Amino acid sequence: DAGITQSPRHKVTETGTPVTLRCHQTENHRYMYWYRQDPGHGLRLIHYSYGVKDTDKGEVSDGYSVSRSKTEDFLLTLESATSSQTSVYFCAISEGNQPQHFGDGTRLSIL
Amino acid sequence: AQSVAQPEDQVNVAEGNPLTVKCTYSVSGNPYLFWYVQYPNRGLQFLLKYITGDNLVKGSYGFEAEFNKSQTSFHLKKPSALVSDSALYFCAVRDTGSSASKIIFGSGTRLSIRP
Repeated sequence: DAGITQSPRHKVTETGTPVTLRCHQTENHRYMYWYRQDPGHGLRLIHYSYGVKDTDKGEVSDGYSVSRSKTEDFLLTLESATSSQTSVYFCAISEGNQPQHFGDGTRLSIL
Repeated sequence: AQSVAQPEDQVNVAEGNPLTVKCTYSVSGNPYLFWYVQYPNRGLQFLLKYITGDNLVKGSYGFEAEFNKSQTSFHLKKPSALVSDSALYFCAVRDTGSSASKIIFGSGTRLSIRP
């Protein structure tokens, strides 16, 4: 597997609390992405980054923010978690036109 | 706007038989096309891609896919299915004229291979 580590792998939290998910890569790839995976929807892009401090919104960005202060780290923050944000979150990396490589996901439950 | 469709939520095949997982796409220009596989509790793993060139693309684990421009399809195939091929399969597309971020994934097809 490409060097992608997501943490935590599992988290249970309560509605209204802040949550931060971390993606760490050792491949020095320029692009990093956050997706959520829900039954019947495939993968939907939340936010992505095309370099340090360069980020942009995806199709389902409401309620989420991201930061990339170093090439290797891409953080996803839920400022005030809601039950609709219960999902499996995947980080991916890519370089140029090459295929994306994915982490093993974070299963997040908001009660 | 670009889109990708996987018309079958589930495909069931007997071991040893050929399998096909369907994918159709829509882009305004020329497509980059990808297939990924997902095993339980894992991220997506890259299987194969079409960028340009031969319409028949060979990938990992004996899989191949055929790019058909007139039918805007990129079906995944394998001549002889294995039980270990049982997994969730995703097709993805990007317009060659768009940025790397504009990749769209299908909703996935669950492939079940019975012994």
